[in-house]
Amino acid sequence: DAGVIQSPRHEVTEMGQEVTLRCKPISGHDYLFWYRQTMMRGLELLIYFNNNVPIDDSGMPEDRFSAKMPNASFSTLKIQPSEPRDSAVYFCASSMAGTGGNYGYTFGSGTRLTVV
Amino acid sequence: DQQVKQNSPSLSVQEGRISILNCDYTNSMFDYFLWYKKYPAEGPTFLISISSIKDKNEDGRFTVFLNKSAKHLSLHIVPSQPGDSAVYFCAARTSGGSYIPTFGRGTSLIVHP
Repeated sequence: DAGVIQSPRHEVTEMGQEVTLRCKPISGHDYLFWYRQTMMRGLELLIYFNNNVPIDDSGMPEDRFSAKMPNASFSTLKIQPSEPRDSAVYFCASSMAGTGGNYGYTFGSGTRLTVV
Repeated sequence: DQQVKQNSPSLSVQEGRISILNCDYTNSMFDYFLWYKKYPAEGPTFLISISSIKDKNEDGRFTVFLNKSAKHLSLHIVPSQPGDSAVYFCAARTSGGSYIPTFGRGTSLIVHP
């Protein structure tokens, strides 16, 4: 398996522009998570989906952030409009429930977002 | 409020010596604890875990110790190697309800040759 695939790896955009981050989870995993990593807060959970349905979006910082999962193999995280304080590394992760232990929790390589 | 705390942002150790990374938690409902390792430009990867019914779990050079009364766990790496240089995240979760782990802020370990 290719693992969790995220694109793009790097994104530099100007303040006010729309940014879309993409994620392809591991086939067969029924949970998908979006995290943001910053020096100040570490790994923050933004939102997670179960069977393509958003379960908890309480970590989404503002209405400027939105996430969708139209099918089991694809999810997007959108920021509109983007601001310099959104600069961070965004990780997508997927897992499968019911297997115990680590639940196969697997992270993608992340998207480093820079908003100038 | 951080429920999982890694109070040391960085740690520097000589190759061959022991590395000890510490983690404290506040939620007494946490009953499963995990450590993840992250290299630059990569996502975190699972390293080792421990259930609250145990106080020690060992996997090769890596051992995790859990002190439930103190709500404290630590990761020991013996002997440390330069390839262990990475950011280590402590995470904790509950068995009931959502099993989603809560992560600490991470500790950057540098092992000097």
